Amino acid sequence: DAGVIQSPRHEVTEMGQEVTLRCKPISGHNSLFWYRQTMMRGLELLIYFNNNVPIDDSGMPEDRFSAKMPNASFSTLKIQPSEPRDSAVYFCASSPQGGQPQHFGDGTRLSIL
Amino acid sequence: QKEVEQNSGPLSVPEGAIASLNCTYSDRVSQSFFWYRQYSGKSPELIMSIYSNGDKEDGRFTAQLNKASQYVSLLIRDSQPSDSATYLCAVNEVGNEKLTFGTGTRLTIIP
Repeated sequence: DAGVIQSPRHEVTEMGQEVTLRCKPISGHNSLFWYRQTMMRGLELLIYFNNNVPIDDSGMPEDRFSAKMPNASFSTLKIQPSEPRDSAVYFCASSPQGGQPQHFGDGTRLSIL
Repeated sequence: QKEVEQNSGPLSVPEGAIASLNCTYSDRVSQSFFWYRQYSGKSPELIMSIYSNGDKEDGRFTAQLNKASQYVSLLIRDSQPSDSATYLCAVNEVGNEKLTFGTGTRLTIIP
């Protein structure tokens, strides 16, 4: 079975550019989560969706970050404009429903120069 | 503010010994508990889930849950160098889909 698929795997871009990260959850999973991981702050939840609806975006750092889930098989996380402090590994995860284990994608390693 | 605490380590264990990883949580209504393993440069990988008090065994791994004391632990028997990784404890509560992660314990198995 295909796991959570994220793209791109690596992204290097200059400060001020728009960055779009993509995620395809596991088929049949109703919940999708976006995380950011840094050495300093560990794994932080940014936002999660249930049945394509954003439920909790309290972890989104600021208005430069936005996320969408137009259908059950696709989600995007966008940063505009990007800043060097946004450099991190961004993970997408999905789960069948609340309380069940989340399965992570391979992540996108983002570097903002 | 829900908290999940883990000793950051590093924890060094000789090959073949038992590695014991501990996690405490602050929220008494927590319901589901998970252990993830994360190799350097890789994504977290689910290795154990536990939902009720007691022990749950899966191969060389045993998860232990004590809700009264609010701790969950992971034992790794016959430790192998391939077990060297960071282990993340994650907790969620009834009716809440969010997982609260600990900061992880870095485990090193010494050959």
